[in-house]
Amino acid sequence: GQNIDQPTEMTATEGAIVQINCTYQTSGFNGLFWYQQHAGEAPTFLSYNVLDGLEEKGRFSSFLSRSKGYSYLLLKELQMKDSASYLCAVRDRKSNYQLIWGAGTKLIIKP
Amino acid sequence: GAGVSQTPSNKVTEKGKYVELRCDPISGHTALYWYRQSLGQGPEFLIYFQGTGAADDSGLPNDRFFAVRPEGSVSTLKIQRTERGDSAMYLCASGPGQGNEQYFGPGTRLTVT
Repeated sequence: GQNIDQPTEMTATEGAIVQINCTYQTSGFNGLFWYQQHAGEAPTFLSYNVLDGLEEKGRFSSFLSRSKGYSYLLLKELQMKDSASYLCAVRDRKSNYQLIWGAGTKLIIKP
Repeated sequence: GAGVSQTPSNKVTEKGKYVELRCDPISGHTALYWYRQSLGQGPEFLIYFQGTGAADDSGLPNDRFFAVRPEGSVSTLKIQRTERGDSAMYLCASGPGQGNEQYFGPGTRLTVT
């Protein structure tokens, strides 16, 4: 079957670094997305990985290991505005290329 | 340019009533998706349009749910005989093609009393 796991909640300090992990099990992996969602708002696209390795985009980086079914989102120099939920989503060939979504990780930033 | 828009932003209806939710995608985006999201959960896929046709409606929970996109742009999600369990945030997203990143609208909060 299909399954995506993320921690439910994480806490970090302003200015620090945090890593949010995502593990997945799909039969037809075809790319992994990370989205940010502030409370009461729609998700916004952060990153996309389809090959193994690290993709860096400013303060945010995303890593993928297809052999391990594992990804992480790395947030550096945390700011209070980074408090949000971070959603991992996997595109699956066996599901007509639809995105299979994790439940999201709620990140709380403390001063 | 303008992003994805959805109307209404909030809808309160009584159990058993019919509702329509509208989505106006980013101009030129051929792919359009409808999702439903409950608090603390990720989006749940409902239906995907490529152009005017529903390419994948496998996520619609039952025959009370229906969606159209007659001219390949604006889409309407229709829910008949609403039930309290239909209460959720309904999100629409559009993209330049299947499998590309999706751009979400602000959502419609549906409450069935």
